[in-house]
Amino acid sequence: EPEVTQTPSHQVTQMGQEVILRCVPISNHLYFYWYRQILGQKVEFLVSFYNNEISEKSEIFDDQFSVERPDGSNFTLKIRSTKLEDSAMYFCASTIGQGGDTQYFGPGTRLTVL
Amino acid sequence: KQEVTQIPAALSVPEGENLVLNCSFTDSAIYNLQWFRQDPGKGLTSLLLIQSSQREQTSGRLNASLDKSSGRSTLYIAASQPGDSATYLCAVVAASGAGSYQLTFGKGTKLSVIP
Repeated sequence: EPEVTQTPSHQVTQMGQEVILRCVPISNHLYFYWYRQILGQKVEFLVSFYNNEISEKSEIFDDQFSVERPDGSNFTLKIRSTKLEDSAMYFCASTIGQGGDTQYFGPGTRLTVL
Repeated sequence: KQEVTQIPAALSVPEGENLVLNCSFTDSAIYNLQWFRQDPGKGLTSLLLIQSSQREQTSGRLNASLDKSSGRSTLYIAASQPGDSATYLCAVVAASGAGSYQLTFGKGTKLSVIP
């Protein structure tokens, strides 16, 4: 069964460093999302992406964040200058169509900022 | 702003019992509602999706209901097993008006099924 994959599974970085989290959505899906979950808290929406541009972003998704689909398969989240409070589990999700469709989640990348 | 609440926060039941998890949401203008399972330190596994026009969906021992007008959903698990132990998350999709269909999540119910 097709699945969303994410790499790395765990990333440790120093505060102020740039990180890139990678996702490979399901191949025929058209809508892509990033969410994050700080330990013990709710899963929160960060950004949605369709047709090579951002559809919507939350207030969490500030200028330190960016997303890109550099080729036909990868979808990346970049954090330019990490802060301690960026430590969280980051999930990528994809869906084949719009609002009525199941969102499929990847296994997540655990980001630890020291 | 949509808020999703799940009660109880934790639940412990003996194996074999039937159980119900509750989810409520503040804005009834939703496209759909999804139930997920999350194992510790892992990703989210989609269990059931209910469209806003539907009243319930079933998959195996799981049955999810939706009452959109009252802003409530329940997940019924029949004949619980130790392997059902996990955190169950409820999430809704409300069209933001910008063509995005992001999920708004509850905090989850942590289920423990005791052998």
